[in-house]
Amino acid sequence: QKEVEQNSGPLSVPEGAIASLNCTYSDRGSQSFFWYRQYSGKSPELIMSIYSNGDKEDGRFTAQLNKASQYVSLLIRDSQPSDSATYLCAVTLYNNNDMRFGAGTRLTVKP
Amino acid sequence: GAVVSQHPSRVICKSGTSVKIECRSLDFQATTMFWYRQFPKQSLMLMATSNEGSKATYEQGVEKDKFLINHASLTLSTLTVTSAHPEDSSFYICSVSGLSTGYTQYFGPGTRLTVL
Repeated sequence: QKEVEQNSGPLSVPEGAIASLNCTYSDRGSQSFFWYRQYSGKSPELIMSIYSNGDKEDGRFTAQLNKASQYVSLLIRDSQPSDSATYLCAVTLYNNNDMRFGAGTRLTVKP
Repeated sequence: GAVVSQHPSRVICKSGTSVKIECRSLDFQATTMFWYRQFPKQSLMLMATSNEGSKATYEQGVEKDKFLINHASLTLSTLTVTSAHPEDSSFYICSVSGLSTGYTQYFGPGTRLTVL
């Protein structure tokens, strides 16, 4: 079982819709959770971090964490073509230097 | 977030030569730096973790004698690909973390290596 699993996609949504990206993790000791966005040919950039159960909102982005279900998601409201990228879910295990990445979900927002 | 630079952004070299890639943390002291490799259409693969002043910890399957990492200061780490071969062609990305980032990793812009 992979430590961090994501649906590879591609996920395609129309402009203006809500894009929902999901991630599950295997280790119940996971402490911190991150979403990174990676445009083609570029390096990852941090979008959101979340540490406790519930929702965290930042502009059009909402991260949701459910530790009981070992599930973290990212919602993108009012999706724009510029949101088209690969979204990486990352989880830190017992210490914050041990970050594991999912394979990423490729999102396409169609005008 | 942290500002991270990498140099060079792109390098083309002949097979058998060595290439050095620099990673700099520009606005904070990075106690830990990470080196990743990413092949086209694949996910990030962690190569090694380095703490300032100590030897790097390499992931399983990564040859430490081929990928030399030096983390000489809290703002600079270097990755040297020795005797590069075409199969080493990849996108190499560093990231930094430290107390002031809450140990969140911030990535450099990456270096695209092409070995002919």
